[in-house]
Amino acid sequence: GESVGLHLPTLSVQEGDNSIINCAYSNSASDYFIWYKQESGKGPQFIIDIRSNMDKRQGQRVTVLLNKTVKHLSLQIAATQPGDSAVYFCAENDFNKFYFGSGTKLNVKP
Amino acid sequence: EAGVAQSPRYKIIEKRQSVAFWCNPISGHATLYWYQQILGQGPKLLIQFQNNGVVDDSQLPKDRFSAERLKGVDSTLKIQPAKLEDSAVYLCASSRDRGGSEQFFGPGTRLTVL
Repeated sequence: GESVGLHLPTLSVQEGDNSIINCAYSNSASDYFIWYKQESGKGPQFIIDIRSNMDKRQGQRVTVLLNKTVKHLSLQIAATQPGDSAVYFCAENDFNKFYFGSGTKLNVKP
Repeated sequence: EAGVAQSPRYKIIEKRQSVAFWCNPISGHATLYWYQQILGQGPKLLIQFQNNGVVDDSQLPKDRFSAERLKGVDSTLKIQPAKLEDSAVYLCASSRDRGGSEQFFGPGTRLTVL
């Protein structure tokens, strides 16, 4: 399988601050990337996606950046809230197969 | 719109026993996925169906795992016999079609093999 990794296993941020979660991928042929949020005891929940023909995509309080040159993906969460505490996974799609990274745990401190 | 349903939510078995998991995808979704998520890791794709056909089972341990989606709707995943290392959460997901479609995940079945 392809390698999808994360730089930091745990990230702690203060409530109200911005969070940045990073992800590296290894397959330059991957053409679709997704960020998921997984809360304890639940399945992953779609946050935002981006296709390889884009560099940036914005949602509500979230932004995904894609740097194809260095094969790097990041998720930015604005004004982080306690409800954002969860594990975040990036996933890449390569030939209709999804590969997930190992996840980053986001802790939001009140 | 109802989400992806899975049952049971929890299962505890002895090693060498058999176990089966059930998944009901979102209505109209052609693609169904089974993932294995070991504690502290990301989900790993086991098998992918397009309607009732298998499109990818390259990471399914076929000597003990099997899955079917007979009528292109519900699916079952079976483990026979189970090993200790099969302890994990088994996630089912569905999407409208393959590749670039958003996947919707069920809550998962937590399997503990003793």
